[in-house]
Amino acid sequence: NAGVTQTPKFQVLKTGQSMTLQCAQDMNHEYMSWYRQDPGMGLRLIHYSVGAGITDQGEVPNGYNVSRSTTEDFPLRLLSAAPSQTSVYFCASRRGPGELFFGEGSRLTVL
Amino acid sequence: GENVEQHPSTLSVQEGDSAVIKCTYSDSASNYFPWYKQELGKRPQLIIDIRSNVGEKKDQRIAVTLNKTAKHFSLHITETQPEDSAVYFCAASTHGGSQGNLIFGKGTKLSVKP
Repeated sequence: NAGVTQTPKFQVLKTGQSMTLQCAQDMNHEYMSWYRQDPGMGLRLIHYSVGAGITDQGEVPNGYNVSRSTTEDFPLRLLSAAPSQTSVYFCASRRGPGELFFGEGSRLTVL
Repeated sequence: GENVEQHPSTLSVQEGDSAVIKCTYSDSASNYFPWYKQELGKRPQLIIDIRSNVGEKKDQRIAVTLNKTAKHFSLHITETQPEDSAVYFCAASTHGGSQGNLIFGKGTKLSVKP
């Protein structure tokens, strides 16, 4: 199993550009989520999904959209990037109430 | 919603000493408390977790204690080694059950000096 796969690993955007961070898992996990990690701020939940067709907001959802058309994929969309969205983004998934498995992360810089 | 406070933000110990990291949470409904270790440039990985029906759990040099009345839990690392150097995050599950979200503390950077 590949686990949780994120692409791209690195991305540089200009303010106002849009992009999608991809996340895929091959563990048949129902729950998937996106976190952002900033220095001194820990991991903050952006959006999450408890199954295909179901998404909800986390702690810091503004400026981000998500969708969950399949169990495997959970893309994160930035519609109009802002410098405040410069961060490292982690996708994570789990089955039931147990361990949360993280992807390797995507480092995004918005100029 | 849930709020998780973690202290200290940095911790430096000598190799062989013990390290303790403490967390408090606000939502009394939380019932799952994991600890993650993140090495530089890597993804967070689970090192130990505890559920609310247990007061203490050990795994070799690592232990976690939970006080539900006081709403705090702690990570204890004994006989620290240089490879224990990393950032450690505590977390609490907001709703419990299969749909609970994990809310993380801000992390503790542990440095173990040889």
